[in-house]
Amino acid sequence: DGGITQSPKYLFRKEGQNVTLSCEQNLNHDAMYWYRQDPGQGLRLIYYSQIVNDFQKGDIAEGYSVSREKKESFPLTVTSAQKNPTAFYLCASSIGAYSTGGYGYTFGSGTRLTVV
Amino acid sequence: DQQVKQNSPSLSVQEGRISILNCDYTNSMFDYFLWYKKYPAEGPTFLISISSIKDKNEDGRFTVFLNKSAKHLSLHIVPSQPGDSAVYFCAASEETSGSRLTFGEGTQLTVNP
Repeated sequence: DGGITQSPKYLFRKEGQNVTLSCEQNLNHDAMYWYRQDPGQGLRLIYYSQIVNDFQKGDIAEGYSVSREKKESFPLTVTSAQKNPTAFYLCASSIGAYSTGGYGYTFGSGTRLTVV
Repeated sequence: DQQVKQNSPSLSVQEGRISILNCDYTNSMFDYFLWYKKYPAEGPTFLISISSIKDKNEDGRFTVFLNKSAKHLSLHIVPSQPGDSAVYFCAASEETSGSRLTFGEGTQLTVNP
């Protein structure tokens, strides 16, 4: 079955540590995205990539980094520079850079990151 | 700058009645609008969409209405069912930004049996 897999589902991080959230898709989608969900703030875009080896900052990129070395994978690193990293992180993909029409994104099931 | 706003954080309706979820936007360049449904600890799933060239799109119990002059869209669910209880996100895109979506804050819908 095609879909997006995010791992782990729950992640605990100590202050000062970097952590990497995994996102893998087998939908053959060109575009991938990382969103963060906080209560009362909806989904905010962190980074997105419309093609392999290229990515752009979203609205809240500070303290995060990404890579897109393969079409299937778009890992997100939460660095120690991110001051408030506790949140629910969602990865998504779409068919192509200009393919919003019709079905929009396919989302993963999310990773809950907690700083301890 | 919140370009997509859902002003009602929550909505409660009785089973069998109509649920109306509202969404306002400020960016006149938005030309495609979508609604997503999200259960706790899961990713959102696509529900229904509408292009700016239309003012209504219907899919079973779900209908989305778009009022471009008012920069307002709404999602109607008729009849509402307890399984519809979830958070609903409105999202919008503009052609010049490619596939990037801008989401609203979400509305928690509770359908009471």
